[in-house]
Amino acid sequence: DIQMTQSPSSLSASVGDRVTITCRAGQSVIAYLNWYQHKPGKAPKVLIYAASNLQSGVPSRFSGSGSGTHFTLTINSLQPEDFATYYCQQTYSTPPTFGGGTKVEIK
Amino acid sequence: EVQLLESGGGFIQPGGSLRLSCAASGFTFSSYAMSWVRQAPGKGLEWVSGISGSGVSIYYADSVKGRFTISRDNSKNTLNLQMNSVRAGDTALYYCAIWYYYDGSDYSHFLDYWGQGALVTVSS
Repeated sequence: DIQMTQSPSSLSASVGDRVTITCRAGQSVIAYLNWYQHKPGKAPKVLIYAASNLQSGVPSRFSGSGSGTHFTLTINSLQPEDFATYYCQQTYSTPPTFGGGTKVEIK
Repeated sequence: EVQLLESGGGFIQPGGSLRLSCAASGFTFSSYAMSWVRQAPGKGLEWVSGISGSGVSIYYADSVKGRFTISRDNSKNTLNLQMNSVRAGDTALYYCAIWYYYDGSDYSHFLDYWGQGALVTVSS
């Protein structure tokens, strides 16, 4: 299985801040990398697919970049509704493994 | 509107069996692959199993292979997960999700719509 490692595991930020989350793969996953947002009591929601493609309906303040083994999710101008846990997921090999998650909390 | 409604969760003793179901509506069920994903208390997301739209192709995580069986009934728009020989480590909220392929590649997919989850607690 391909190991996915996210950093940091948690962070505190203020509304309006720019936030960057990193995801590293144990081997190259090309650009087969998705990002999800998960809020307590809610179903997870896909934000970015194929490393940098914004899913329909997702605000443009979310962006993704990277290839190979190093990927980032950036949230520009953090909004109150963005406080959640974010997960990366590789789909280059089966099983499609998730990172451990990054919890974004209010400072 | 796409809806996925899991059912069948509950308390079960180690070694026992449980069957989860996911009732799908609002889309052409047989046209989409489906997956089960779980989240143990205080932990992250773990992909458990997936099945193609026809039911021919089936995949499992190593942690459940040989114990869990995924199936689907396209005539009833239902996805199932038969859980046998359960362990304490199987305690989790189990989500069903549409496993969406966005182009023709085997690698190009993401979990699109998700249900609200069914809680499975394994304890003696």
